[in-house]
Formats: sequence, C-alpha cells, structure tokens
Amino acid sequence: SQQGEEDPQALSIQEGENATMNCSYKTSINNLQWYRQNSGRGLVHLILIRSNEREKHSGRLRVTLDTSKKSSSLLITASRAADTASYFCATINPGAGSYQLTFGKGTKLSVIP
Amino acid sequence: DTAVSQTPKYLVTQMGNDKSIKCEQNLGHDTMYWYKQDSKKFLKIMFSYNNKELIINETVPNRFSPKSPDKAHLNLHINSLELGDSAVYFCASQALGNTIYFGEGSWLTVV
Repeated sequence: SQQGEEDPQALSIQEGENATMNCSYKTSINNLQWYRQNSGRGLVHLILIRSNEREKHSGRLRVTLDTSKKSSSLLITASRAADTASYFCATINPGAGSYQLTFGKGTKLSVIP
Repeated sequence: DTAVSQTPKYLVTQMGNDKSIKCEQNLGHDTMYWYKQDSKKFLKIMFSYNNKELIINETVPNRFSPKSPDKAHLNLHINSLELGDSAVYFCASQALGNTIYFGEGSWLTVV
C-alpha cells in the first residue's frame, strides 16, 4: 500500500491566500520530503525535514512534522499563480534503507489570479 | 547544466515494440532510480542502483530491464511494449540519505 497519502487531493484558492496540504504515512521514517510537479514537468524538490525535526521553513514554505501522528503539513503562504502545481510528500523509511523514496498521490493546487 | 537528464522526453510507439529511455546524472551520486508515475499520479519505484549494482527491483514485469554501464548512467529498456506501459517515467539520483534529484520525466505513450 502507498506510504504517503496527501490530503486534500485537490485545493483551489485565490492568489494571496495561504494553502495547507497534509500528508500521512504509515511506517517510521528517516525523513520526509515535499516535491512540486508543474503540469507536464518533472519533480522539483522543495524541502526536507528529518524525523527529529518538528518544523522547517524555506521562503514562503513551512513544513511541520508530527512523528507521533505520522503526519506532515506543507503551508504555502501568500500564494501566487505560479504555485499552481501538484505537491507530493515522500518518505525515506529505515526498513528500505536510504535508497527508496516512497510517494503519495499528491495534492493538486490551483491558485486563481 | 542539467543535473539529471533523461531522453527522450516524449515517446509514442506501437504495441510490441522495444524501446529504451536513457538517463544520465552529473552530480557524482552513487545511487540512481527509475520511478513510474501512472495516470492517477502515483509515483512508484521500479529500480534502484547503487554504484552500478541493482539494489531494489520492485514488482515490475521482466520486460523492463535496467542497465547501468557506469554510475552516472541508468538506462531503462522495455521489451514488447503494452498499452498499460503508457506512463511518465522518472529517473532520479541521490547521494546517500540526501535529497533525491529527478529528471524531467519521459512521457511514454503506447498505441
């Protein structure tokens, strides 16, 4: 079964609003990563949070990690039309060594100008 | 310079054909992967190589065969293509335990 599950599957907001996406996973992890995929393009790494971290910031991005609930959230503040993309969380699990990144289905974010 | 490059980006081919997708990384990473993204946007790992050695081989039909001539290259060869093979295939590379860098993807359509 899929390790990461993003929620919601689709999100539509107005430009300037904040967007929050959630991710839940099933097994213990080494770290959790968020990726963005623009339509028809490849995957772009956004941010990595290690299992011993609770929060991390990068520009307009804020990621939280709650290992007790096996969940993470990605917050994009002051959204822009260019943020329109699919966002994936992915985990690296100790059982798989450091070699396997397991992805969820993704959240499709639409930012309306 | 593109860190992870894969070719071709688009490939349309008929059922039964054999095709290859090439991948090269210039990051000096030891580990490379192939992922498949299906129509529902699921990304699933197919293969992982570390220093030219196969590490992960998920449940993938044996029509799919990865080949790593050196640690900077991991090519994906697919025999006897089927309609269900239509998907986006992503190559990626990683330094151990760190961020995984993806290629732009190869859109395969089997008709």
